[in-house]
Formats: sequence, C-alpha cells, structure tokens
Amino acid sequence: EPEVTQTPSHQVTQMGQEVILRCVPISNHLYFYWYRQILGQKVEFLVSFYNNEISEKSEIFDDQFSVERPDGSNFTLKIRSTKLEDSAMYFCASSARSGPNTGELFFGEGSRLTVL
Amino acid sequence: AQSVTQLGSHVSVSEGALVLLRCNYSSSVPPYLFWYVQYPNQGLQLLLKYTTGATLVKGINGFEAEFKKSETSFHLTKPSAHMSDAAEYFCAVSLRISSGGYQKVTFGTGTKLQVIP
Repeated sequence: EPEVTQTPSHQVTQMGQEVILRCVPISNHLYFYWYRQILGQKVEFLVSFYNNEISEKSEIFDDQFSVERPDGSNFTLKIRSTKLEDSAMYFCASSARSGPNTGELFFGEGSRLTVL
Repeated sequence: AQSVTQLGSHVSVSEGALVLLRCNYSSSVPPYLFWYVQYPNQGLQLLLKYTTGATLVKGINGFEAEFKKSETSFHLTKPSAHMSDAAEYFCAVSLRISSGGYQKVTFGTGTKLQVIP
C-alpha cells in the first residue's frame, strides 16, 4: 500500500540552527501538508502546498518556516533558525486530487525535532 | 470556519467494556469527518472517515462512528475494548470540497484511552 515517508525520524539540533525535514508523499497525490504536534498537545496545521505554491498557512508558519518541492518526489519543510518552542513532532501528509480517497489525508510517521 | 471539540481528554474503560469517545464539530458547510488513532511514539493512522452516504461508518479494529447532523456529532464507539486499543484518538473535520482534493484538516485536542485489565 502506498505510504508517505518522512526523514529523519528524529533530529536533535542546537537553537539557532537550520533544520530541513523531508517527506516523500504518495506518488499520485497533488496536495501536500505539514502539521506539527507539540508533546502532549493537539495536532496543528502549518501549511498546505499545491501546484508549487503555498495554498494556505497558519499563523504558526512565520518567516522562519519555508516549504519546497525541489523535485518530483520530495516535499521539504525548512526551519531557518530553530527555537526551543519548535521542538515537536512534524507530520507530513498528502491527499489525492480525485478518486475514492478524495478528502482523506495520508500521514507519514512523523519527524521528531528536539531543539536544545 | 471549522472546529472540533472532543469531550474528555482521558477516558478509562475496563477490558471488554464499551468504548465511547465523544466528538462534536462545527462547520459552515457539510463536513468530512475523521477519527485518527495515535499509538505512543507513532504517527497518525486513519481509523475511519465519513464523507458521504451512510451515516454509520465502520473502521478498522472494530471501531465505528455515526454522523448525526442534527447533533453535529461524530462519536466513536467499539462494543468491547481490548488492551491494544490503548492509544490517543483524534477527531478531525475538513470542509467538503465540490471538486478537487484539497483538504485542510482541523484536529480536536485528542482523547487518551486507557484500558484497564
């Protein structure tokens, strides 16, 4: 069964460092998303991406964050200068343009970011 | 705008007892509704979803949920709890789009289910 894959599964970084989290969405999906979950809290929407541009972003997604689809398969989230409060689990998701699974987000296993 | 309210951040049931996790939603248009499960240190797994059609939807692991428009609810149930059901459960809502697949999913705060032997 197709799945969304994320790397790394866990990254530890120093405050102020740049971090890139990588995702490979399901191959025929066209919508891509990043969500995050701070430990013990709810899953929060960060950004959605379609047709090589951001469709929507939340107030969390400030200038320190950026997303990119550098090739036909990867979808990345970059945090330019990490802060302690960026420590969280980051989930990538993708969804189909049409078909029986329209309306369903498929999530990866997550990348746990720890900022020291 | 859309939102989800999950009543009870923690629910404890005995093994073999009925599981009932409550979810109410708010949406300006007909919604898609989802339940996701998250086991410790793992990602989000879809349990079940309601998009259109039958209001009682069955999911994996014996779970089911019923969409009640009049009550704006989508409660998750399982007749008999198993130890392996211990996890965190998230209700989620997204707007129904007439065409295309874009969905911004809004999650509830989650309910941790404890199953007591």
